[in-house]
Amino acid sequence: SQQGEEDPQALSIQEGENATMNCSYKTSINNLQWYRQNSGRGLVHLILIRSNEREKHSGRLRVTLDTSKKSSSLLITASRAADTASYFCATDSLEATDSWGKLQFGAGTQVVVTP
Amino acid sequence: KAGVTQTPRYLIKTRGQQVTLSCSPISGHRSVSWYQQTPGQGLQFLFEYFSETQRNKGNFPGRFSGRQFSNSRSEMNVSTLELGDSALYLCAARRLGANTGELFFGEGSRLTVL
Repeated sequence: SQQGEEDPQALSIQEGENATMNCSYKTSINNLQWYRQNSGRGLVHLILIRSNEREKHSGRLRVTLDTSKKSSSLLITASRAADTASYFCATDSLEATDSWGKLQFGAGTQVVVTP
Repeated sequence: KAGVTQTPRYLIKTRGQQVTLSCSPISGHRSVSWYQQTPGQGLQFLFEYFSETQRNKGNFPGRFSGRQFSNSRSEMNVSTLELGDSALYLCAARRLGANTGELFFGEGSRLTVL
């Protein structure tokens, strides 16, 4: 079963626009991460936000975390065609000891950026 | 430095056969996790190994097994293949004690069961 629900399932934007996607999860967590996957390839880690953090930035990425609502958002600013990919949120469980290798992934948001 | 290497990249098997997939993690990344990705179920955790011991296990039947060698390389095995086992199998490595949950993924092994 999947921990997270992601919204929207698909997103189509033009280069230069911002892309925002949301993730909700069910259990208490240590960390929440975002990964990107190009079609049929492996996942690439984008950013990690800890449960005691509310916002984090990395380049054109901005992640927010609201543990009271069990939700996170990923914002990609000034999107490029190369940002076309699927984006997944992933959480580890606060209840499991040393669970960092055991992540629960959302269903993903498929982002298409057209030139 | 070399990334996580998975072999084979593609393979086709028939129902009832068994398959072994291999993963070589990044040097120094001693934890190896395996995930199954399908269009219907998404990414699902199979198991994690470090120090040659299974540390965490997902909700998969006993037909799915794995092991880790002293050099941190890992293999997973699926016996008595079923059509539903067709999937992209992803291996992910992480550093122990790095106080970060960042996983480094390989490109995956795409298994098709006919």
